[in-house]
Amino acid sequence: GQQLNQSPQSMFIQEGEDVSMNCTSSSIFNTWLWYKQDPGEGPVLLIALYKAGELTSNGRLTAQFGITRKDSFLNISASIPSDVGIYFCAGRSGSQGNLIFGKGTKLSVKP
Amino acid sequence: KAGVTQTPRYLIKTRGQQVTLSCSPISGHRSVSWYQQTPGQGLQFLFEYFSETQRNKGNFPGRFSGRQFSNSRSEMNVSTLELGDSALYLCASSPTTGGTEAFFGQGTRLTVV
Repeated sequence: GQQLNQSPQSMFIQEGEDVSMNCTSSSIFNTWLWYKQDPGEGPVLLIALYKAGELTSNGRLTAQFGITRKDSFLNISASIPSDVGIYFCAGRSGSQGNLIFGKGTKLSVKP
Repeated sequence: KAGVTQTPRYLIKTRGQQVTLSCSPISGHRSVSWYQQTPGQGLQFLFEYFSETQRNKGNFPGRFSGRQFSNSRSEMNVSTLELGDSALYLCASSPTTGGTEAFFGQGTRLTVV
């Protein structure tokens, strides 16, 4: 079945640093979504991408839909303590409704 | 606009019992998907409902079932609970099926003892 490899699994960074994480797929996706999840809560949608090569920003967050349609990247600039959480990538192929999720990147920010 | 509402937030059940979870999507959204989240397996797709019809189903046993009502509210049911069913169950709401954003509720934390 389809799999998403998300890396890194965890990151420990200093406040103010930039962060990069990525997801790669074994197959082509036509939608990439990035979510952040805080403990005990549901994932919150950060950025949605629908076209290969698309680059979209949401404040300090920037995500890109890879041109091969098999990968996506999320960058966070000038991290702050409230960026702490688990970031998930999710992809969708074809016209099916279900999302395939990566295992998540746990971000810790030291003040 | 109100977000996705899931009830209850927490639930403790005994092995062998059954449980019903509820999800009210964002107003105007017609697609509801259910996911199971565990530390070991991550987020796994259970099923999707659109216009009261199941459109897609994940790789879960028949003990897991769902339905959607005419107002787009959805329920999922798990019968004959097992310890391994302990998880966070998340519902996601989308305007249509396939190819659009999915917005999640806060989830129902189910503990089976």
